[in-house]
Amino acid sequence: GQQVMQIPQYQHVQEGEDFTTYCNSSTTLSNIQWYKQRPGGHPVFLIQLVKSGEVKKQKRLTFQFGEAKKNSSLHITATQTTDVGTYFCAGGHTNAGKSTFGDGTTLTVKP
Amino acid sequence: EAGVVQSPRYKIIEKKQPVAFWCNPISGHNTLYWYRQNLGQGPELLIRYENEEAVDDSQLPKDRFSAERLKGVDSTLKIQPAELGDSAVYLCASRDSSYEQYFGPGTRLTVT
Repeated sequence: GQQVMQIPQYQHVQEGEDFTTYCNSSTTLSNIQWYKQRPGGHPVFLIQLVKSGEVKKQKRLTFQFGEAKKNSSLHITATQTTDVGTYFCAGGHTNAGKSTFGDGTTLTVKP
Repeated sequence: EAGVVQSPRYKIIEKKQPVAFWCNPISGHNTLYWYRQNLGQGPELLIRYENEEAVDDSQLPKDRFSAERLKGVDSTLKIQPAELGDSAVYLCASRDSSYEQYFGPGTRLTVT
C-alpha cells in the first residue's frame, strides 16, 4: 500500500532560523496536502498542491510539490514561537478521496 | 459556521468494556472520516463514508470495531471489546467536494 514518509521526525530551532520538512511517497500522488497540529490540538488544513513542480506561498511558508509528484516540502522562513507544532503531509490519490498521512515533523522553537 | 463536533472528549474504560464515539460533521459535508492517531504518529484512516455508504473500511479491525452513519449525517464509531492497544485519539473529519478535511477535536481514549 501507499506509504508516506516524513523527515526529520523532530526539529528544534532558535527563533528566527529557517525550518524545512520533507515528505516522500512510495507512489505517485494526485495531490498532497499539508496540515498543522498544535500541541493538544487537531490537524488543521494549510494547503493543497496538485500540479507537478507547483510552488505555493503563505506568508513565511513555502510549499513545493516535486516534478514526479512523489515528494513535497514545507519551508518556514524566520520561524516564530507561534510556528510550534507538528506538520503533517497527506498524500492523495485521484478520485479516491483518501489521503495517507505521514507521521509528521514536530517543530519546537526556542525564543 | 460550526466545526466538526465530537463527543466525548475524553474516555477512560477498562479493557474488555465497550465504548462509542460520536461525530457530527459540518453541515453539508457528504464525506466523513474516522481516524485513529497514536502518540507521535499521523492520523490513520479507519473508515470513510460518502453520505451513508462506507466506501473505504479496509483499515477497520472489523472483529471489534464497527461504525455507522445513519441518514448520512452523524456517525458513531464503536469498539467492543476494547483492548489496551486501542488507547489513542480518535479523530473525525469531514469535507465537501474539495480536498480539505476539517477535523474535530478528537476523543482521547484510555484503556486500562
